[in-house]
Amino acid sequence: SQELEQSPQSLIVQEGKNLTINCTSSKTLYGLYWYKQKYGEGLIFLMMLQKGGEEKSHEKITAKLDEKKQQSSLHITASQPSHAGIYLCGADRSQGGKLIFGQGTELSVKP
Amino acid sequence: NAGVMQNPRHLVRRRGQEARLRCSPMKGHSHVYWYRQLPEEGLKFMVYLQKENIIDESGMPKERFSAEFPKEGPSILRIQQVVRGDSAAYFCASSRRLAGGDEQYFGPGTRLTVT
Repeated sequence: SQELEQSPQSLIVQEGKNLTINCTSSKTLYGLYWYKQKYGEGLIFLMMLQKGGEEKSHEKITAKLDEKKQQSSLHITASQPSHAGIYLCGADRSQGGKLIFGQGTELSVKP
Repeated sequence: NAGVMQNPRHLVRRRGQEARLRCSPMKGHSHVYWYRQLPEEGLKFMVYLQKENIIDESGMPKERFSAEFPKEGPSILRIQQVVRGDSAAYFCASSRRLAGGDEQYFGPGTRLTVT
């Protein structure tokens, strides 16, 4: 079983619609990272969350970490074709530097 | 401010050859991490280095793989006697300090193909 579960695995939305991607860990996290990856390219850093209940926003993307620091959500408001890609959550569970990653959520936005 | 640099971007090797992947961290970053993304699998941690030190190599295969981050120059991930199963995208990331407290930025990756 995955140590970090992402849902859904894939998502197709109409341009302008809102969407949410979830990331769940069975253990408390020291840090939760969200990245975006275009097919065949590197990972683009989006946000890092560390404190329980923390919420961060950048443009139309908002990420939250729950109070128990085991679940995070990424919310995109008024989606655009430029938001398409694979969204990955990564977690630091030991403060040791290494991140474990979920399997990713593939987002398609239809114009 | 240049981001994390990796080269080459694409590397083709025949079975049995050696592969050397290079990573230059972002300016001011002294912590380097290597990850591997295999087809149909997720991104997996391999090794974490600081200058001249290996901090955590728990994700490195026991044989044929080695990594270094010398005092001067880029970090190197070295794969000896490559096999087809080594074909993957290898990503390097860097941070200023422990990832538990700092953002970790990724390079564009090196795509290794073993023929």
